[in-house]
Amino acid sequence: ILNVEQSPQSLHVQEGDSTNFTCSFPSSNFYALHWYRWETAKSPEALFVMTLNGDEKKKGRISATLNTKEGYSYLYIKGSQPEDSATYLCAFYDDKIIFGKGTRLHILP
Amino acid sequence: DAEITQSPRHKITETGRQVTLACHQTWNHNNMFWYRQDLGHGLRLIHYSYGVQDTNKGEVSDGYSVSRSNTEDLPLTLESAASSQTSVYFCASSEVAGTTGEQFFGPGTRLTVL
Repeated sequence: ILNVEQSPQSLHVQEGDSTNFTCSFPSSNFYALHWYRWETAKSPEALFVMTLNGDEKKKGRISATLNTKEGYSYLYIKGSQPEDSATYLCAFYDDKIIFGKGTRLHILP
Repeated sequence: DAEITQSPRHKITETGRQVTLACHQTWNHNNMFWYRQDLGHGLRLIHYSYGVQDTNKGEVSDGYSVSRSNTEDLPLTLESAASSQTSVYFCASSEVAGTTGEQFFGPGTRLTVL
């Protein structure tokens, strides 16, 4: 079973501060890396699909980078807002889909 | 608007009973997936399908089965429910084949097996 690790498990950030967290995955047999945002009592929603080493994606204040050779992706949130409070999941694809356990982000007012 | 729905949203059943969870999507996506979510495990893939009559086992498929008779539906059946199958179940679909298609998730079904 492949391991997809996300760190930290939980994070408290002051409103207005920027933050980032990590998804680590096996560096061999890489197909794609997805990021999802999961708010409490809702369903996961796709943020980014990343397929190429060096990929950088951006959506508003949220961006992500990908390093397939060393097996990690970073998700960045600039100027955190209360609505950013959620669990952020990454999913690694080789021939199957493996989700990480997520980073739970709490934005403090 | 296109959507993906799951029913029932909540289900309580007894050990040994057969249970079927429904998943229906109106996006006309070929790819559909079933996951379970448990504390400490995140989302784990149970079964998936890349088209009508196609089904594949995921990471935790034992005790579960699926069938794909049309594009819109992928029902998940627990043949003989066990307490270890108490979980929240999510169905998802994607348009693009393989690994590059973002997945759209249903609202989830909370299943309790007593």
